[in-house]
Amino acid sequence: RKEVEQDPGPFNVPEGATVAFNCTYSNSASQSFFWYRQDCRKEPKLLMSVYSSGNEDGRFTAQLNRASQYISLLIRDSKLSDSATYLCVVRDTGRRALTFGSGTRLQVQP
Amino acid sequence: DAGVIQSPRHEVTEMGQEVTLRCKPISGHDYLFWYRQTMMRGLELLIYFNNNVPIDDSGMPEDRFSAKMPNASFSTLKIQPSEPRDSAVYFCASSLPDSYPSTDTQYFGPGTRLTVL
Repeated sequence: RKEVEQDPGPFNVPEGATVAFNCTYSNSASQSFFWYRQDCRKEPKLLMSVYSSGNEDGRFTAQLNRASQYISLLIRDSKLSDSATYLCVVRDTGRRALTFGSGTRLQVQP
Repeated sequence: DAGVIQSPRHEVTEMGQEVTLRCKPISGHDYLFWYRQTMMRGLELLIYFNNNVPIDDSGMPEDRFSAKMPNASFSTLKIQPSEPRDSAVYFCASSLPDSYPSTDTQYFGPGTRLTVL
């Protein structure tokens, strides 16, 4: 079983749609949680950290459920520029390295 | 400010040859990470350093792979001899010291796309 699991997609949505991605992680000792974004043939970049109380950054909302070991990302009012692969990422306690999910591909269509 | 710098950006080599990938982290960052990305396995950690010292090399596939960090501004990842299954994008990333806030954020370089024929 992979440590971080995501639906690979692709999710094809029209502009303006709301789309949600989910992710589960297997290590209950995981300490920090993130969503990274990766454009085609580019490097991953931090989109947002995920906090226990949930957090929002503009059109993006992230949620964490530690009991279920589940992380989500909601994108409202999708833009063409949101088309990318979204990587669910965790960091385990005592370790600085990140563990990446395989990513969920989003394609926003006009 | 310059981000993480990697060279070369593309490398095509033949099986059996030695390959050396290079990375310059962001100035002031004391963590450096090497990751590999393939379609089959996704993005996976190979090794990471703190203050030039290797901390975790459990992701290094086998003895053909070696990594060094001779100083705070330079690291290499060497594959000798290379094999076709080593074909991947190799990313270097760096992050701030523990004493700073938001130390979890890792900044990735543009990657080296390696093809072994």
